[in-house]
Amino acid sequence: NAGVTQTPKFRVLKTGQSMTLLCAQDMNHEYMYWYRQDPGMGLRLIHYSVGEGTTAKGEVPDGYNVSRLKKQNFLLGLESAAPSQTSVYFCASSLKGPYEQYFGPGTRLTVT
Amino acid sequence: DQQVKQNSPSLSVQEGRISILNCDYTNSMFDYFLWYKKYPAEGPTFLISISSIKDKNEDGRFTVFLNKSAKHLSLHIVPSQPGDSAVYFCAASTIIIAGGTSYGKLTFGQGTILTVHP
Repeated sequence: NAGVTQTPKFRVLKTGQSMTLLCAQDMNHEYMYWYRQDPGMGLRLIHYSVGEGTTAKGEVPDGYNVSRLKKQNFLLGLESAAPSQTSVYFCASSLKGPYEQYFGPGTRLTVT
Repeated sequence: DQQVKQNSPSLSVQEGRISILNCDYTNSMFDYFLWYKKYPAEGPTFLISISSIKDKNEDGRFTVFLNKSAKHLSLHIVPSQPGDSAVYFCAASTIIIAGGTSYGKLTFGQGTILTVHP
């Protein structure tokens, strides 16, 4: 059981470039989430999904898009990266509801 | 508007003593509270939780206390060990109904860095 995995672990982008972060879980969880963590801000929810084919906006969705075509995968896309999107991104999943979420190791993204 | 606040950015404790981490919240609709622990370069891991209908939950060295009237929760670690050194996040859950469906949402505090000295 790998749990929750994230690809890539690190990435440096130039302003305006695009990229996709991949999250995969092997626990058959219904719920999946994308968070960003910034210094002094805790974790803030970007988007989430309550099942295959469904996604919804969280607290800070602007500049990001998501897709959940397969139950085990949740993709986070940045269409045109901005320096304000420099952050550590965490994916999480839970069986049902928002309670005990299992987190991936994170992706550190720098936008220059 | 920070609905969940951890006002102490850091806490330093001697090994064997008690660590007390605090968390305050403003939203009375929160129904479930959790503590997560995070080591550097890793994702947060779930530690302990408490329902809003309880005032205490204990799991080994970890105890969470909830004071609903004060909108305050705390995590006690007794005895503290050097391996407990990490960032601790409190989180609160509420159910949101939108577009004909209901879903739950976690709101996290800013985190407290705990350092346990040998």
